[in-house]
Amino acid sequence: DAEITQSPRHKITETGRQVTLACHQTWNHNNMFWYRQDLGHGLRLIHYSYGVQDTNKGEVSDGYSVSRSNTEDLPLTLESAASSQTSVYFCASKSGDEQYFGPGTRLTVT
Amino acid sequence: AQKITQTQPGMFVQEKEAVTLDCTYDTSDQSYGLFWYKQPSSGEMIFLIYQGSYDEQNATEGRYSLNFQKARKSANLVISASQLGDSAMYFCAMREWDNYGQNFVFGPGTRLSVLP
Repeated sequence: DAEITQSPRHKITETGRQVTLACHQTWNHNNMFWYRQDLGHGLRLIHYSYGVQDTNKGEVSDGYSVSRSNTEDLPLTLESAASSQTSVYFCASKSGDEQYFGPGTRLTVT
Repeated sequence: AQKITQTQPGMFVQEKEAVTLDCTYDTSDQSYGLFWYKQPSSGEMIFLIYQGSYDEQNATEGRYSLNFQKARKSANLVISASQLGDSAMYFCAMREWDNYGQNFVFGPGTRLSVLP
């Protein structure tokens, strides 16, 4: 079955380190999204992509970057991790009117 | 300003009763979409229902229906015959258009607890 996966599922890192969270989908969807979820804020959009080589900033993009070299993957990079980036990160891909979410990555920055 | 407002941080409902979760939105677009997602304690996000801004009829999906009042900019989720498994966080979201295409905005969520 087609699916969307994220890795790692849990990550603990130190302040200042570069971290990359992987997102892989097998539906061949063009639209992919990264969100972070914090208590009291719901999901907030970090970056999104409408296809290969296309990336766009979302509401909370500072300190994050993405790249889209193929349809299946949209890795999210924290250039220099900060404690404020401790959160749960969700990747999603979209077809038609529905977004399909990955299982999430819990990132802790110490 | 918040584009999606969910005024009920927490709600309780008796099993088998119906419950309405409120959602109001703010957009100047004429074409937009409204969504509801469920997030159980396990953490995954589950799509429930979709309403397009031009849809004249309220969307329904099984026990879920969306009470869409366009003039009031509200998109309330109605769950009929609540079940214990409905206990979860519920998020209202809006798809709107920016210069590059579509964008999604989520509300802060409502925690629903179904009581036996």
